[in-house]
Amino acid sequence: EPEVTQTPSHQVTQMGQEVILRCVPISNHLYFYWYRQILGQKVEFLVSFYNNEISEKSEIFDDQFSVERPDGSNFTLKIRSTKLEDSAMYFCASRISGRAEAGELFFGEGSRLTVL
Amino acid sequence: GNSVTQMEGPVTLSEEAFLTINCTYTATGYPSLFWYVQYPGEGLQLLLKATKADDKGSNKGFEATYRKETTSFHLEKGSVQVSDSAVYFCALSSNQAGTALIFGKGTTLSVSS
Repeated sequence: EPEVTQTPSHQVTQMGQEVILRCVPISNHLYFYWYRQILGQKVEFLVSFYNNEISEKSEIFDDQFSVERPDGSNFTLKIRSTKLEDSAMYFCASRISGRAEAGELFFGEGSRLTVL
Repeated sequence: GNSVTQMEGPVTLSEEAFLTINCTYTATGYPSLFWYVQYPGEGLQLLLKATKADDKGSNKGFEATYRKETTSFHLEKGSVQVSDSAVYFCALSSNQAGTALIFGKGTTLSVSS
């Protein structure tokens, strides 16, 4: 069964360092998403990506964040200079269609980021 | 803006007990509603969905009915099993192309034998 894969599963970094989280969406999907979940809090939307550009982003997704699809398979989230409050589980997701009722959103297992 | 409110957990039940996890939403227009489940060590998986008022989503013995009059989408199961232990997330989407899902906080369910 096709699945969304994420690496690394856990990353520990020092405050101020750059972090890149990687995702391989399902191959025929067209819409890509990053979400995060701070421990004990809700799953929060960060950004959506379609046709090689950001289609929607939340207030959380400030200038410290960027996304890229560098090749035909990977979808990356970069945090330029990590802060303590960036510690969270980051989920990548993909969907074949942009319309919620038409296509299920498939999630990866998440990448846990710990900023010290 | 759009938002989802779920009952606080954890919910602890014995096997074969009846489960209800409450979810209410605030949204403009006519959103689609979802329940996602996260088993330990895994990503979120779609459990069920409903795309218009009075629709009932169902899967694996779980059900939820889209109630526009009460803006609710409560998750129910008549007889839970130990394998249902997981975190359950209620979510909505506003049905526009590319619009992201808005999630609730999640409710942890623990079922003991």
